[in-house]
Amino acid sequence: GIQVEQSPPDLILQEGANSTLRCNFSDSVNNLQWFHQNPWGQLINLFYIPSGTKQNGRLSATTVATERYSLLYISSSQTTDSGVYFCAVINYGGATNKLIFGTGTLLAVQP
Amino acid sequence: ETGVTQSPTHLIKTRGQQVTLRCSSQSGHNTVSWYQQALGQGPQFIFQYYREEENGRGNFPPRFSGLQFPNYSSELNVNALELDDSALYLCASSSGPRTGLYEQYFGPGTRLTVT
Repeated sequence: GIQVEQSPPDLILQEGANSTLRCNFSDSVNNLQWFHQNPWGQLINLFYIPSGTKQNGRLSATTVATERYSLLYISSSQTTDSGVYFCAVINYGGATNKLIFGTGTLLAVQP
Repeated sequence: ETGVTQSPTHLIKTRGQQVTLRCSSQSGHNTVSWYQQALGQGPQFIFQYYREEENGRGNFPPRFSGLQFPNYSSELNVNALELDDSALYLCASSSGPRTGLYEQYFGPGTRLTVT
């Protein structure tokens, strides 16, 4: 099945710094989502971005479907950005219509 | 617009017991998916329901079963609980047909502890 890899696995930033998180996937996808999981376990939707570029405030994302990767940019990081960031994909050509999650990036933003 | 809700928030069960978790989908959504997230890992797909029928299943044994009701809410049932079933159980809802082209929205999860 499709493999999803995220890098880096861990990231420590000072407040105000910028960062780039990467998601690589091994096959073509119909759907790609970025999530932020807060310390209570809630998965918060950041972007639905199977291709192209989107921006939402300090966050932006780019997916290059032909090269099978997506990037999440966080600018001017804040302590509230801390948590785990997941990308997840659906390859509808596969056996089931399911989100396949990457291993996540654990982000800690220090004041 | 009401988001995805789950109940209960936390649950403690003993090995061998049975448990039922509940999920109410977001208004206007007809598809519900269940995921299991073990500590330190990404969520793993259990199964999905579309208009009251199972629409795909992950690599989970038959003691994991589900149901979707006419109002599109859903239940996850786990029989003969094992210690490894301790995890965060997440429900996600989405709208549209089965093509996977629609954004999925997650509930807050139910944290199950099996002792």
